[in-house]
Amino acid sequence: GEDVEQSLFLSVREGDSSVINCTYTDSSSTYLYWYKQEPGAGLQLLTYIFSNMDMKQDQRLTVLLNKKDKHLSLRIADTQTGDSAIYFCAVNDYKLSFGAGTTVTVRA
Amino acid sequence: DTGVSQDPRHKITKRGQNVTFRCDPISEHNRLYWYRQTLGQGPEFLTYFQNEAQLEKSRLLSDRFSAERPKGSFSTLEIQRTEQGDSAMYLCASSPETSGRGEQFFGPGTRLTVL
Repeated sequence: GEDVEQSLFLSVREGDSSVINCTYTDSSSTYLYWYKQEPGAGLQLLTYIFSNMDMKQDQRLTVLLNKKDKHLSLRIADTQTGDSAIYFCAVNDYKLSFGAGTTVTVRA
Repeated sequence: DTGVSQDPRHKITKRGQNVTFRCDPISEHNRLYWYRQTLGQGPEFLTYFQNEAQLEKSRLLSDRFSAERPKGSFSTLEIQRTEQGDSAMYLCASSPETSGRGEQFFGPGTRLTVL
């Protein structure tokens, strides 16, 4: 399967920006995704990016894609306490391959 | 609520018992997926259906696991002779075939604990 790697933890102050990084091995995905998981819950699709785009902005979320380096990032502007969760990047076109998730903790 | 639903949400069983989980996808979504998520890991693909046809199974899906989607709507995942290593969150997702974006919508999951 795919190798998808993420840093495991991120601590950020409320109001600051969060940047979550992801690297992957396969470049054939048409779309790449970011999901959010809150404790005890399923996964919520946050955003996605088409593989021929470099950047996508969606309200407080900005996705950057560097296909050459196979690097995907998610920036959350003005991070709020409700953004505390685990964030997963996922690649592949149907049988999604996920990273291990980045736990984001927002401190006051 | 028209999202993906799963039942039960929690299941505790003794090793060696059989368990069955149910997933109801979003209506009109003809693709349905099962994933397994263990603590501290991302979900891992198990199998998927297009309508009632099971199109792919992961090597993670041993012979003790069977999934069905008999009428192309809800799906069941059965685990026979459960083992402690089967303890995990089992997630179901659905997507519309017509969506070029392929985004999958996940249910809340069934947490299985095998004692």
